[in-house]
Amino acid sequence: GDSVTQTEGPVTLSEGTSLTVNCSYETKQYPTLFWYVQYPGEGPQLLFKVPKANEKGSNRGFEATYNKEATSFHLQKASVQESDSAVYYCALSDGSSGSWQLIFGSGTQLTVMP
Amino acid sequence: GALVYQYPRRTICKSGTSMRMECQAVGFQATSVAWYRQSPQKTFELIALSTVNSAIKYEQNFTQEKFPISHPNLSFSSMTVLNAYLEDRGLYLCGARVGINQDTQYFGPGTRLLVL
Repeated sequence: GDSVTQTEGPVTLSEGTSLTVNCSYETKQYPTLFWYVQYPGEGPQLLFKVPKANEKGSNRGFEATYNKEATSFHLQKASVQESDSAVYYCALSDGSSGSWQLIFGSGTQLTVMP
Repeated sequence: GALVYQYPRRTICKSGTSMRMECQAVGFQATSVAWYRQSPQKTFELIALSTVNSAIKYEQNFTQEKFPISHPNLSFSSMTVLNAYLEDRGLYLCGARVGINQDTQYFGPGTRLLVL
């Protein structure tokens, strides 16, 4: 079945440094790929999504490119801030079979130190 | 924007009792709703997918007899956890989808269930 694998956390960075969270996926179909962010006490919030291969998504300084050949969707940010501390989830949705279920990775806890 | 509310935010119930949780979409029509349980380890388990005017599809290990769901209109869904036990604890999340052909789910803040 479909699956998503991402960088195991926790990840601790200093403010102003760069972030990369690796995400790889497995599916036989043509999924839409997502990054969600979850802050303490809240549900996951959509950071951005990319429905097509070879396209890039971005929001709030975060970005990721849908790499179909490498089956990857790595999250990057050039300069993290303390407010970026949260859990980040890579996910895919494959609607081609009629199911729109989201398959989540295990999450990456990010802590940014001031 | 698309907002999803869940109520209650937190609840404690005695082992063997039941509790009902609600999910409300505001500002959009939630044609489909997915219920998830997030474990203390932060992993997600899909419980069921519910589309208005269609049968509710439960995932393996989850049944209607244990987690009955109601989805009476385009803005509201509820789920009950019957005979809750320790293994049912977690954060129950409602993910609402806008439109039949949309793949984005908007999540509520969740209902945290503690079982004593």
